[in-house]
Amino acid sequence: NAGVMQNPRHLVRRRGQEARLRCSPMKGHSHVYWYRQLPEEGLKFMVYLQKENIIDESGMPKERFSAEFPKEGPSILRIQQVVRGDSAAYFCASSSSDRGTTGELFFGEGSRLTVL
Amino acid sequence: GEDVEQSLFLSVREGDSSVINCTYTDSSSTYLYWYKQEPGAGLQLLTYIFSNMDMKQDQRLTVLLNKKDKHLSLRIADTQTGDSAIYFCAERPSLSGGFKTIFGAGTRLFVKA
Repeated sequence: NAGVMQNPRHLVRRRGQEARLRCSPMKGHSHVYWYRQLPEEGLKFMVYLQKENIIDESGMPKERFSAEFPKEGPSILRIQQVVRGDSAAYFCASSSSDRGTTGELFFGEGSRLTVL
Repeated sequence: GEDVEQSLFLSVREGDSSVINCTYTDSSSTYLYWYKQEPGAGLQLLTYIFSNMDMKQDQRLTVLLNKKDKHLSLRIADTQTGDSAIYFCAERPSLSGGFKTIFGAGTRLFVKA
């Protein structure tokens, strides 16, 4: 399956622990986007990355959250010292770099974080 | 600014048409999209419209774009129970990097048999 792969699908953490969410983009895609989905709030953009570069992090909280997309391996969204308000579904999407296309984003199935 | 608004819920009877409305703010958006999310899954692109079009039809789906009012709608003809899902309106501001896409809150469509 060459789709966007996210893991873990479900993650439970206690307040103060760290959460690491991984995303492998679709084969051939070099752009990765992270979104957070809260109930009744829709899908909020967090960060857009290309290999080894953060292009747009305008939706990332200023503290505790970080993202990377290394040259090798998956993209990682890291949340330090989690709080209950971080409980949400985190979706990763990828796209090609070809600006001649429609700009479709391909989404993973999401990682659902629960903070106890 | 970048903002997309849509109503949260819509309930229709099976066989009726569903119309989901959306407003967006960024007039530079070149593409506007409708994505569908089924329970427990990620989003999938349903259809899109280029900003120089007024209408696009794709089988049971009709997308209408009023660029002057920044209003987008999705009509699903002969709605089926399998159409029950969350439908997200989205815009891609042309001045944004890459394919950064801004989504609305999603409209939850309930289809009653």
